[in-house]
Amino acid sequence: DIQMTQSPSSLSASVGDRVTITCQASQDIRNYLNWYQQKPGKAPKVLIYDASNLETGVPSRFSGSGSGTDFTFTISSLQPEDIATYYCQQYDNLPSLTFGGGTKVEIK
Amino acid sequence: QLQLQGSGPGLVKPSETLSLTCTVSGDSISSTSYYWGWIRQPPGKGLEWIGGVYYSGSTSYNPSLKSRVTMSVDTSKNQFSLKLNSVTAADTAVYYCARVIRTVAIFVTHWGQGTLVTVSS
Repeated sequence: DIQMTQSPSSLSASVGDRVTITCQASQDIRNYLNWYQQKPGKAPKVLIYDASNLETGVPSRFSGSGSGTDFTFTISSLQPEDIATYYCQQYDNLPSLTFGGGTKVEIK
Repeated sequence: QLQLQGSGPGLVKPSETLSLTCTVSGDSISSTSYYWGWIRQPPGKGLEWIGGVYYSGSTSYNPSLKSRVTMSVDTSKNQFSLKLNSVTAADTAVYYCARVIRTVAIFVTHWGQGTLVTVSS
């Protein structure tokens, strides 16, 4: 099974800061990597698919990059409404869609 | 507007079977561009993929749960279902039903509201 390791598990940053989250796969998953945002008490929603493609309607301050085993998710300028937990998810090893452990983002 | 509505008991006894149904509205469950999945989240923890079912009835399960999981689809009712047997307290979680796109990319496009299932005697 492919394991997805996210870091950090939590972070605290100020409004306007650049925030970076990494996700590492235990083996090459090409670019088959998605990023989700989950706000407290809500279901997740996809922000980025195929490592770097912004889902329709998602603000451009969110971006993703990477391929192979190492991926990065970035919020270019943290906003108060971005407080959430972010998850990466691979789909190279179908039919399983493995999620990373999550990164909780808080405002300092 | 696509909506997924999960339903089922919120309390299940240990060793019994958890049964949930997801009713899809706003789209046909027979669409070839999607399949239908279940994802769970224990309180305060991360997301775990349980498995998915295609409109044809073809299924795929998380290997760690495969021995206990059965998924099915009822196209006449636009519903799909999850059964998880021999449950323990470790199966206590919010269970989400979801639609997964399977065209150029594969990701969850829509989620149900989530059903909290507690395993307790």
